[in-house]
Amino acid sequence: EDKVVQSPLSLVVHEGDTVTLNCSYEVTNFRSLLWYKQEKKAPTFLFMLTSSGIEKKSGRLSSILDKKELFSILNITATQTGDSAVYLCAHYNQGGKLIFGQGTELSVKP
Amino acid sequence: DGGITQSPKYLFRKEGQNVTLSCEQNLNHDAMYWYRQDPGQGLRLIYYSQIVNDFQKGDIAEGYSVSREKKESFPLTVTSAQKNPTAFYLCASSMSVGRGRYEQYFGPGTRLTVT
Repeated sequence: EDKVVQSPLSLVVHEGDTVTLNCSYEVTNFRSLLWYKQEKKAPTFLFMLTSSGIEKKSGRLSSILDKKELFSILNITATQTGDSAVYLCAHYNQGGKLIFGQGTELSVKP
Repeated sequence: DGGITQSPKYLFRKEGQNVTLSCEQNLNHDAMYWYRQDPGQGLRLIYYSQIVNDFQKGDIAEGYSVSREKKESFPLTVTSAQKNPTAFYLCASSMSVGRGRYEQYFGPGTRLTVT
């Protein structure tokens, strides 16, 4: 059974800190790995990763995939209170289904 | 304005009643999905549909039913057989997997409370 595990489950930091969120996966047929940010309501798409070692970057957020070790990380530099959210990692399997991890709840204090 | 809409935002029902949650998209996406989210948990797939008039069960389909009569619409019915229906329900859509685009876009969600 495909599985996605995120760590830590929750994290509290102060503005300006850098954080690293982890996502490990066990899947039978890897297609892609996705990161989403969920504030109060709908998850919003951040990144999709399909190849190892290629960093995707958007402003202060970046993500990379390691297909050999079966994990991905999401980095946020110079955190702001607006970064407070639940960050979801998901694997897209060959059957067209997204398998989500439990999420990491990030709280950024002023 | 392109996007996914869900209605209503909040829904309250008595135990034993069926309730239907609406999901509409104007993104011309082929695939649509329904997820359930409980506090402190990730999203779990209820049903999904890759094309009109066809849908498949997800991981937690028991007590739910769907239809896909139009490309734009994918309503979810929560039946009285669903043992713990109180949850946050999210609808999503994506381009067909066969076209090589995978990201799913989510609607704003419906929070259902059953008492």
